[in-house]
Amino acid sequence: SQQGEEDPQALSIQEGENATMNCSYKTSINNLQWYRQNSGRGLVHLILIRSNEREKHSGRLRVTLDTSKKSSSLLITASRAADTASYFCATDEDGNKLVFGAGTILRVKS
Amino acid sequence: DAGVIQSPRHEVTEMGQEVTLRCKPISGHNSLFWYRQTMMRGLELLIYFNNNVPIDDSGMPEDRFSAKMPNASFSTLKIQPSEPRDSAVYFCASTLSGGGYEQFFGPGTRLTVL
Repeated sequence: SQQGEEDPQALSIQEGENATMNCSYKTSINNLQWYRQNSGRGLVHLILIRSNEREKHSGRLRVTLDTSKKSSSLLITASRAADTASYFCATDEDGNKLVFGAGTILRVKS
Repeated sequence: DAGVIQSPRHEVTEMGQEVTLRCKPISGHNSLFWYRQTMMRGLELLIYFNNNVPIDDSGMPEDRFSAKMPNASFSTLKIQPSEPRDSAVYFCASTLSGGGYEQFFGPGTRLTVL
C-alpha cells in the first residue's frame, strides 16, 4: 500500500520559477525522504528529514515536515531544465522499510 | 564504488519462461530491497533482506516469485513461470540497516513478457 501521496500529480513550470510538491501520509513515521527519478533511471536520494525536524535545506532544495498534519513539502528554487524528473516522497515506518508515494512529474521548460 | 549493479538491464521473454534478475549491492550495505515499478501501481516493495535474511516478503505477488540472497554481495529475484502482467521495471536498492539511511538504487531491469 502507498503511504505517501504526492500532490500535484504533474507540474509544469518555466525555468527560473520555484516548484513546490506536497506529500501526505497516514501513520506515524521515523523520517521522511525525498527521491528523484529521471526517465529510465533508478531513484536518487535527495534529502531526509527526521520526525523531530521541521525544516531542512540542501542547495536549492527546501523540505518541511508537519507531523501534526502528516504532511511534507519539497520546494525547488530557481528551477532548471535539468530538474525535469519525477519526485517521490518515502516514509520510514519500521526503521528499514520505505513506502513510496505515487510521485509528482515535474517538467521545467526552458 | 560502482553503486548497485543490476543485470540484465533489459529482458524480453515469452510467457511461461523462467526469468532471473540479479543484483550486487554496494559493499558494506547490509540491507537489500527489491522493488517493482509500473505505471498502474507505481513503486512497490517486493521483499527486503537484512544481513542476507529475508525480513518482509509481504509484497511478493504470488508463489511464482522468489528471492534469495546467498551472500552479502549477491541477490536474485526469480519469476517462474513468467506472465505478461509481470512486465515492469525491477529495481534493487541497498542501504545500511537500522533506519534513517538513504537507499541507493540500481539502474533497474526492464522486463517484458510477451
